Amino acid sequence: AQSVTQLDSQVPVFEEAPVELRCNYSSSVSVYLFWYVQYPNQGLQLLLKYLSGSTLVKGINGFEAEFNKSQTSFHLRKPSVHISDTAEYFCAVTQRAGRRALTFGSGTRLQVQP
Amino acid sequence: DAGVIQSPRHEVTEMGQEVTLRCKPISGHDYLFWYRQTMMRGLELLIYFNNNVPIDDSGMPEDRFSAKMPNASFSTLKIQPSEPRDSAVYFCASSLQGGGNTIYFGEGSWLTVV
Repeated sequence: AQSVTQLDSQVPVFEEAPVELRCNYSSSVSVYLFWYVQYPNQGLQLLLKYLSGSTLVKGINGFEAEFNKSQTSFHLRKPSVHISDTAEYFCAVTQRAGRRALTFGSGTRLQVQP
Repeated sequence: DAGVIQSPRHEVTEMGQEVTLRCKPISGHDYLFWYRQTMMRGLELLIYFNNNVPIDDSGMPEDRFSAKMPNASFSTLKIQPSEPRDSAVYFCASSLQGGGNTIYFGEGSWLTVV
């Protein structure tokens, strides 16, 4: 079984400031890691994913995430946020072998203020 | 290409009525997932299918919920009878075979049971 913990339920930040959204996971088997974004009244859209190789993963909209195996973390970062980045962000894992479905964290609400 | 298509987008129904949610996955995808999103419980997996066969239905809340996938291009999630606590956003998602492949989500069906 696996679980995902998103340490911050809400993150307020000013426009053009950097932001980090934290994610830790727990699993007894090897996993793939994902970040999804959900804009108001919409479905979930993939931001980026870590499968293997370089631990720094770049995604859409200027976001990047770093996989840290020793700390079982997969934090999401953006060096300069825009008002349009206001949304809910979900970290998720799925097993490399076996159970195919995503297990999600509880989400982090990013509120970008002018 | 069209994404995952869900219907209806919004439904308001009275307690005790039957509700049927529909999903058309992305063509060629062989995995289909049903998730439920609520404020209290976040994103929960209800059930998923592989090649039209249910693989894991451990998330289905109770016997009032049932899901079918009669063919590769259509799935339904039925609630009978509906209760106010079933009010939520229900997401359908699909993906190709392979653990690292992206899972694509529909826009969701917003269900309110009064």
